[in-house]
Amino acid sequence: GESVGLHLPTLSVQEGDNSIINCAYSNSASDYFIWYKQESGKGPQFIIDIRSNMDKRQGQRVTVLLNKTVKHLSLQIAATQPGDSAVYFCAENRNFNKFYFGSGTKLNVKP
Amino acid sequence: GAGVSQSPRYKVAKRGQDVALRCDPISGHVSLFWYQQALGQGPEFLTYFQNEAQLDKSGLPSDRFFAERPEGSVSTLKIQRTQQEDSAVYLCASSLRTVSAEAFFGQGTRLTVV
Repeated sequence: GESVGLHLPTLSVQEGDNSIINCAYSNSASDYFIWYKQESGKGPQFIIDIRSNMDKRQGQRVTVLLNKTVKHLSLQIAATQPGDSAVYFCAENRNFNKFYFGSGTKLNVKP
Repeated sequence: GAGVSQSPRYKVAKRGQDVALRCDPISGHVSLFWYQQALGQGPEFLTYFQNEAQLDKSGLPSDRFFAERPEGSVSTLKIQRTQQEDSAVYLCASSLRTVSAEAFFGQGTRLTVV
């Protein structure tokens, strides 16, 4: 299938290592954020979310950190696996569910 | 169905042709969104429905784009007189609630205008 990550920043990690994907958002009024994973030929898939009244949230193997002072989000993936290879987008919510997506980061996991 | 379903999966249109893209959201989901994703880019918001009401259409690129959700379930995105710059993946998403909540995406329709 076609690549959704043709000209995106790429992060290459070794299988088993931890990955950190960063995202800067633009609007200080955004109150809700989601990290999505998109595999080639598929729609974005929800990974984890965080509201603006939190600075950290943990899921299964994933952690999202929110720094409102500098308008920065990060996604940490523990023990990265080949199945984690995809393009990762952060999305910020303003007004109802209107999400603005970042440009994405392509994660390559080397076996 | 279990997820958001979009059809057709692929569509090739000749420039100037009209197209209609269908979205079947998850049953019971109140909110429905359309996004446009160009190759190598993140999805860009087109329009938002709460039930049958189109509350936001600020992202529609031109008056050639039209979306409807007449019964608050299935939605159709129509593009009239397609142009090459309309080539993209069109994603539909639905969400259970009307306030900020996780949106589930379909696989998208890849439109190629030749």
